[in-house]
Amino acid sequence: LAKTTQPISMDSYEGQEVNITCSHNNIATNDYITWYQQFPSQGPRFIIQGYKTKVTNEVASLFIPADRKSSTLSLPRVSLSDTAVYYCLAYNAGNMLTFGGGTRLMVKP
Amino acid sequence: KAGVTQTPRYLIKTRGQQVTLSCSPISGHRSVSWYQQTPGQGLQFLFEYFSETQRNKGNFPGRFSGRQFSNSRSEMNVSTLELGDSALYLCASSFAGGNTEAFFGQGTRLTVV
Repeated sequence: LAKTTQPISMDSYEGQEVNITCSHNNIATNDYITWYQQFPSQGPRFIIQGYKTKVTNEVASLFIPADRKSSTLSLPRVSLSDTAVYYCLAYNAGNMLTFGGGTRLMVKP
Repeated sequence: KAGVTQTPRYLIKTRGQQVTLSCSPISGHRSVSWYQQTPGQGLQFLFEYFSETQRNKGNFPGRFSGRQFSNSRSEMNVSTLELGDSALYLCASSFAGGNTEAFFGQGTRLTVV
């Protein structure tokens, strides 16, 4: 299972773009990179998933370079409600989700 | 469609007792996974069931067990409760497990006194 490393915490202000980078040096060929968001006392919520290059949905973008050893979650124009813990995972079919410590994002007014 | 339902939401038990937690996955989902979340250890994987069979297992003692029924509903049992078992227990369902999107329930907050 690929181990992921991401910053423990980040601060931002409302309206700014936030980029959270995740390192996954030993990612396997068939691993997908997936990000989850978790609010206190709630279960994690799927944000976005990708394999390579760029993926965009209504809430975020995911950038994955060609070597796939890292990835960056981009949250455009964050609001106070984006304050949460963000988890980066790299896994494939047949494996379970393995969560690391996550990145605690604090959005300030 | 209805989300993942976990019952009960809150539970207080005494050391030495046993407890059973329930998880109803999203209709059509066949994979159910269980996680324990504590402030000190974060989110830790307990086990995954797929079509009534345990497919993956985390590093937890045998006091933690689970099962899945033919309708994909799952139960998790913890016997001989210890104070350290106090945690938020989360259930996640997905269509097939693996790299398919997982949907988490609100969790069951277990307090062992």
